[in-house]
Amino acid sequence: DIQMTQSPLSLSASVGDRVTITCRASQTISRNLNWYRQKPGKAPELLIYAASSLQSGVPSRFSGSGSGTDFTLTISSLQPEDFATYYCQRSNNAPLTFGAGTKVAIK
Amino acid sequence: QVQLVQSGAEVKKPGASVMVSCKASGYTFTNYYINWVRQAPGQGLEWMGIVNPSGGSTIYAQDFQGRVAMTRDTSTSTVFMELSRLRSEDTAIYFCARARLLFDSSGLGSTVFDFWGQGTMVTVSS
Repeated sequence: DIQMTQSPLSLSASVGDRVTITCRASQTISRNLNWYRQKPGKAPELLIYAASSLQSGVPSRFSGSGSGTDFTLTISSLQPEDFATYYCQRSNNAPLTFGAGTKVAIK
Repeated sequence: QVQLVQSGAEVKKPGASVMVSCKASGYTFTNYYINWVRQAPGQGLEWMGIVNPSGGSTIYAQDFQGRVAMTRDTSTSTVFMELSRLRSEDTAIYFCARARLLFDSSGLGSTVFDFWGQGTMVTVSS
């Protein structure tokens, strides 16, 4: 099975900071990569699909890039509601594996 | 509006089985696959499998093969996930999530989880 590796697993940042999270697939997955945000005690919510397409209603400060095996999620200006955990997910064939998650904490 | 409403918390002993339900409303039940995802306390998301509410076909993650069964009842628009031979490591929140296909500007289709249930806490303890 394809493994999804995120880095870093945690980071500290301040409101207004630019934040970048990386996800690497163990085999090429083209652009079949989603990003989710999970706030504490809540279900995850979709941010980005097909590596770089913004889900409807998601703020434009979120962007995604990459293809093949290497992907990034960028938050251009961190907002208070963005202190959460972010997951990448393979999106084309089962198993629809998630990365381990990146926790973004307040500095 | 689309809603997935899950059954309540469960406490089970090791070796027992648990069944969690996920009742869908606000859309045509048979048009969208349902996935199950679990999250152990303080841990990440783990995909368990997928069920097609239309025909009932399933795909399970390798780690759960032989121990999980996902079924559906079209008359009540409900999907069920049964996990057997429970052990302490199965203590987790179990989520159901609706899957849909989204296409980007180039026509690439992606399976995304667009609506989620509220989660069901399953505790396995002697």
